[in-house]
Amino acid sequence: NAGVMQNPRHLVRRRGQEARLRCSPMKGHSHVYWYRQLPEEGLKFMVYLQKENIIDESGMPKERFSAEFPKEGPSILRIQQVVRGDSAAYFCASSPGPNTEAFFGQGTRLTVV
Amino acid sequence: AQSVTQLGSHVSVSEGALVLLRCNYSSSVPPYLFWYVQYPNQGLQLLLKYTSAATLVKGINGFEAEFKKSETSFHLTKPSAHMSDAAEYFCAVRPRYGNKLVFGAGTILRVKS
Repeated sequence: NAGVMQNPRHLVRRRGQEARLRCSPMKGHSHVYWYRQLPEEGLKFMVYLQKENIIDESGMPKERFSAEFPKEGPSILRIQQVVRGDSAAYFCASSPGPNTEAFFGQGTRLTVV
Repeated sequence: AQSVTQLGSHVSVSEGALVLLRCNYSSSVPPYLFWYVQYPNQGLQLLLKYTSAATLVKGINGFEAEFKKSETSFHLTKPSAHMSDAAEYFCAVRPRYGNKLVFGAGTILRVKS
């Protein structure tokens, strides 16, 4: 049973470009969470999604950031018009249901130049 | 709102010495508590978790943690440090009926030979 798969592992974007981060949850998991880790900080919750629904987006910046988890395919975290402050590690986690343990992927490290 | 405080952003111990990483939490009701380890450029690996069963929780790699409600603490210990324990450790809290993990800022453990 493969773990949570994130790709790409490393992503470099120029300021103003778009970044798309993908997360394939573990088999049988229908709940996905995105966290952001800024340099020398702990992880901060961004968004919680279930298939085709956003359950909690209280940690998402109001502008430029969006997330989806379609019926088919991976969850996508999209950052439009990236700025240097978006440089961080973005982690995805998945769980089989609410109130259950979440398993983390290895993260995507975004660098904005 | 829940919060986590990890005392000491860096801890240095000698190989074979006791490891003690401190974590205090703030929560209106006893939450679930977790310790994760992150090796450089890797994802988070769950070390152990407290879910209201035994207050002394044993995890992987010889680590354990004790939940002390009166002190709102969940300190991580290991009797004898190995070089391979050098990593960053995160304490996290989650409400019993919820999905959002709140992380501490992390403690980098250095093991000296």
